[in-house]
Amino acid sequence: GNSVTQMEGPVTLSEEAFLTINCTYTATGYPSLFWYVQYPGEGLQLLLKATKADDKGSNKGFEATYRKETTSFHLEKGSVQVSDSAVYFCALSDPGTASKLTFGTGTRLQVTL
Amino acid sequence: NAGVMQNPRHLVRRRGQEARLRCSPMKGHSHVYWYRQLPEEGLKFMVYLQKENIIDESGMPKERFSAEFPKEGPSILRIQQVVRGDSAAYFCASSQSGSGANVLTFGAGSRLTVL
Repeated sequence: GNSVTQMEGPVTLSEEAFLTINCTYTATGYPSLFWYVQYPGEGLQLLLKATKADDKGSNKGFEATYRKETTSFHLEKGSVQVSDSAVYFCALSDPGTASKLTFGTGTRLQVTL
Repeated sequence: NAGVMQNPRHLVRRRGQEARLRCSPMKGHSHVYWYRQLPEEGLKFMVYLQKENIIDESGMPKERFSAEFPKEGPSILRIQQVVRGDSAAYFCASSQSGSGANVLTFGAGSRLTVL
C-alpha cells in the first residue's frame, strides 16, 4: 500500500537559516504529492503540491520537486522566519482521487531569533 | 468566508460513553472527509461522504464508529462506547468535488480524550 516517510522532528533553526524537510514515499502508479502546514491551534493548510514527475510546487518561499527516480518530495526554504514555526505534513493521493490522502507523521519546525 | 468548522474543539468522555463530532464544510463544498490522528502518528483516512451518501468508508473501524452527512446540517462522526484507544485528534476536510484536481480544506480538528 501507499506510505509516506518524513524526517523526525523537532527541527530547530535560527531565523534566516536554510530549511530542508525530507519526505520519501511508496506508491503504485503516479500519485500527486502535497505539503500541508499546521500552525498552532489551526487546521491543516495546503502549502504546495505537484501532480507529476519533475513538477516543482512553490508557495511562500517554500519549494518541493517531485522526484520519481528517488521517490522523494523534499521541502526546502532558503531563509526561514519565526512565523514559519509550525508542523509540516507530507502527503500523497492516488491519481484521480482527492479522497484518500496518505500522510507522513509530520515534522515540527521551531524557528528562533 | 468561513472555512471548515469543527466542534467541539475538545471533548472529554469516560469509557463507555458516546462521542459526537460535528463538521460543517466550506461554503460550496459538498464532499466531506474524516481523518484521525493518533498520538505520534500521521493522519489516517476514515471515511468520505457526500450529502446523504457514504462514498468510501474503508478506513472506518468495523464497530462503534459511524458517520453521516445529512441533506441539511453538518456531517457527524459518532463513536459509541468509547475506549481509551479512541483518544485522538479527528480532522474533517471538505472539497468541491472528489476528483484528484481538487484540494482538501481541513478544519482545526476535534480532540477527543477518553478517561
